[in-house]
Amino acid sequence: DVKVTQSSRYLVKRTGEKVFLECVQDMDHENMFWYRQDPGLGLRLIYFSYDVKMKEKGDIPEGYSVSREKKERFSLILESASTNQTSMYLCASRNGGTGVGYGYTFGSGTRLTVV
Amino acid sequence: GEDVEQSLFLSVREGDSSVINCTYTDSSSTYLYWYKQEPGAGLQLLTYIFSNMDMKQDQRLTVLLNKKDKHLSLRIADTQTGDSAIYFCAERDNQAGTALIFGKGTTLSVSS
Repeated sequence: DVKVTQSSRYLVKRTGEKVFLECVQDMDHENMFWYRQDPGLGLRLIYFSYDVKMKEKGDIPEGYSVSREKKERFSLILESASTNQTSMYLCASRNGGTGVGYGYTFGSGTRLTVV
Repeated sequence: GEDVEQSLFLSVREGDSSVINCTYTDSSSTYLYWYKQEPGAGLQLLTYIFSNMDMKQDQRLTVLLNKKDKHLSLRIADTQTGDSAIYFCAERDNQAGTALIFGKGTTLSVSS
């Protein structure tokens, strides 16, 4: 089975800190995604990547950046954390082919609290 | 842009059927998905339907697609307490390539 691993389940950071959220997948998937999940707002796409060193903005990229230096790893960076970035962050991956079977496999999520 | 709408809450008794509804806007969506999220966990693909199908059945799950009305539903037969979770409807965002657009999620609460 495809595994998507997010390095931390829970994180507490201070306002203004630079925060790195790491996501690693083990099935050689081309596409990787970062979403944030908030009550009443559902999942919103922050950034995604089609391939190594490629990135595209999603719906809410402000305050975030990403890095994809290796195919298996997609990092989300909060340049200067703010309290409104307190949220659950979900990483997902899929391969680049057509067809539904390629799942959008999700990690377990990182619950980030910015104080 | 594309949007996916679903009701936020559903409460049923154990053994009853649950029906979770969803509407979407992008008529060119190829695949429509249902994901399940249990407390504290990530999302798990529950089932999906291809846009040229009207119905898909998988054990206790039945997905109905009305393409004309852009309406998707998920029926869970004989609902169990273990089915309590948040259910997300999603469509593929054709503008963004392969990114999914999710609804806000329906919280299903099953009482015994």
